[in-house]
Amino acid sequence: EAGVTQSPTHLIKTRGQQVTLRCSPISGHTSVYWYQQALGLGLQFLLWYDEGEERNRGNFPPRFSGRQFPNYSSELNVNALELEDSALYLCASSLDRVGNEQFFGPGTRLTVL
Amino acid sequence: SQQGEEDPQALSIQEGENATMNCSYKTSINNLQWYRQNSGRGLVHLILIRSNEREKHSGRLRVTLDTSKKSSSLLITASRAADTASYFCATGSGTSYGKLTFGQGTILTVHP
Repeated sequence: EAGVTQSPTHLIKTRGQQVTLRCSPISGHTSVYWYQQALGLGLQFLLWYDEGEERNRGNFPPRFSGRQFPNYSSELNVNALELEDSALYLCASSLDRVGNEQFFGPGTRLTVL
Repeated sequence: SQQGEEDPQALSIQEGENATMNCSYKTSINNLQWYRQNSGRGLVHLILIRSNEREKHSGRLRVTLDTSKKSSSLLITASRAADTASYFCATGSGTSYGKLTFGQGTILTVHP
């Protein structure tokens, strides 16, 4: 069974640009989660999507947004990139919303210059 | 802020020895999950333990949960060089709406 996949693997952008990261969950999983792992800040919860709806949002500015498609894949969009957005962005999926295991993808390494 | 606090921050052992990592948290939880991360790559799920469970095993891994002390421990027995990684605990609660709150992690180094 294929795990969570993310694309691209690496990305380099300049300040002020916009970026879109993509995530495909494990087959049968309906919930998708996004986390940011920035140096020195640890793993921070960004967003949770389930059944196409945004269910919860972490303490991030509105320029971080996303969506979930009918096939449960998801995109994370970051507008007006800032240097401190440089991080590993991790996507996870779970079977449903009720406290099950979250399985993570390999991540997208974003560097903002 | 991080709910989980892990101890120790770094652990260095020889192959064949056991490694124990501890995690403490502040608020009530529904479940606690342990993950492994190799060299800044994705997280590998190790074990989920629910608040009504006290102990779980998976291969060489043993996890305990003490909700009265708000703490958990991960024991890796007969460690191998391949176990070298960062280990994180993550808590979920009924009010967290999907969000896992991670600790800062323990860096484990197993020397051959």
